[in-house]
Amino acid sequence: DAMVIQNPRYQVTQFGKPVTLSCSQTLNHNVMYWYQQKSSQAPKLLFHYYDKDFNNEADTPDNFQSRRPNTSFCFLDIRSPGLGDAAMYLCATRDGSSTDTQYFGPGTRLTVL
Amino acid sequence: AQSVTQPDIHITVSEGASLELRCNYSYGATPYLFWYVQSPGQGLQLLLKYFSGDTLVQGIKGFEAEFKRSQSSFNLRKPSVHWSDAAEYFCAGRSGGYNKLIFGAGTRLAVHP
Repeated sequence: DAMVIQNPRYQVTQFGKPVTLSCSQTLNHNVMYWYQQKSSQAPKLLFHYYDKDFNNEADTPDNFQSRRPNTSFCFLDIRSPGLGDAAMYLCATRDGSSTDTQYFGPGTRLTVL
Repeated sequence: AQSVTQPDIHITVSEGASLELRCNYSYGATPYLFWYVQSPGQGLQLLLKYFSGDTLVQGIKGFEAEFKRSQSSFNLRKPSVHWSDAAEYFCAGRSGGYNKLIFGAGTRLAVHP
């Protein structure tokens, strides 16, 4: 029944050790977003894909990369996590042709030791 | 610059009492506005949205919101709060051609029995 799925729900990594977060969707939406939400803060957009077109926010650190191998999957790669990257990472999708509504996954909480 | 402001960081109400969460926006044109709810450790769930038309919008879980252009507001209301409504509430506005969401800082709602 889940429409936007994020794995894992909780991820622990070590300082500087690369980590990959996964998002998949069953909605067949062509737009996918990655947001970072630090504790007690609002979500902040990192980047998004419109189909295969990648769009990076101007203030997204170079440490963050993304891949979208197909419509259903999107990955967030953090090349060298720092303590400041500990956050909840939210994936969202949207049908770019028909709606302005974004549908969010449950999020992955990243802890950096 | 486009922005969304939620003036109240924390609100506490008694179960059964009415609720109003404030949201103010700063947009040049007619904004697309959303209210999302986030339970602890969870993703964001859409409560309701306003694009155009009737300024009183009905949402899920008994919530409604009223768009007031003269006051640049989009306040969320519920006539009778349930303990399960305790969560964080985010107001958001759409920005840009790819539907980037600009979130307010959020309002954390506590419900007393």
